[in-house]
Amino acid sequence: GNSVTQMEGPVTLSEEAFLTINCTYTATGYPSLFWYVQYPGEGLQLLLKATKADDKGSNKGFEATYRKETTSFHLEKGSVQVSDSAVYFCALRIGGATNKLIFGTGTLLAVQP
Amino acid sequence: SQTIHQWPATLVQPVGSPLSLECTVEGTSNPNLYWYRQAAGRGLQLLFYSVGIGQISSEVPQNLSASRPQDRQFILSSKKLLLSDSGFYLCAWSGSGAEKLFFGSGTQLSVL
Repeated sequence: GNSVTQMEGPVTLSEEAFLTINCTYTATGYPSLFWYVQYPGEGLQLLLKATKADDKGSNKGFEATYRKETTSFHLEKGSVQVSDSAVYFCALRIGGATNKLIFGTGTLLAVQP
Repeated sequence: SQTIHQWPATLVQPVGSPLSLECTVEGTSNPNLYWYRQAAGRGLQLLFYSVGIGQISSEVPQNLSASRPQDRQFILSSKKLLLSDSGFYLCAWSGSGAEKLFFGSGTQLSVL
């Protein structure tokens, strides 16, 4: 079946540290891959996406590369800020008109000043 | 611009009581609508999705039901809540064929 596995949190970093949140997937066919972010007290919002192998999604200093050979879509940022503290969800999209997303369990990132 | 409204923000209900959560979308027509649940320590689970009025697809068997009485209105209901229904419920919409979901701010439901 289709599934997403992401590293468990919480991840605690100091400001300006390098961030990696691992995400791997299992899917039939060629899914699109996403990272969503949920800031405290808010709903989810799209952070970045990649629709085919070797694509790199990027936004707000975050980036992730669609690696078909390792079925991965790891999220990275070179220098995190306190305002990046949130829960990050990796997701894949099953093809078709319904646009169903399958999410990972989420990873809590806490950035300390 | 498009907006999505979800209410209430928090809800505490006794076991066995009914539930009605409402979600409305503004600024778009014929959206795909979704209900997700985020349980503690678990990921987002898709509960229902709808591609049109009166068209509801259920992803998992459960104690909940969904209805879409109007194009931009999506309601999550239960006749009798269970303890296991506690969680954070998120409504979302997307355009047909679009890849991006827009989420509401969520409802924290506690069943006691």
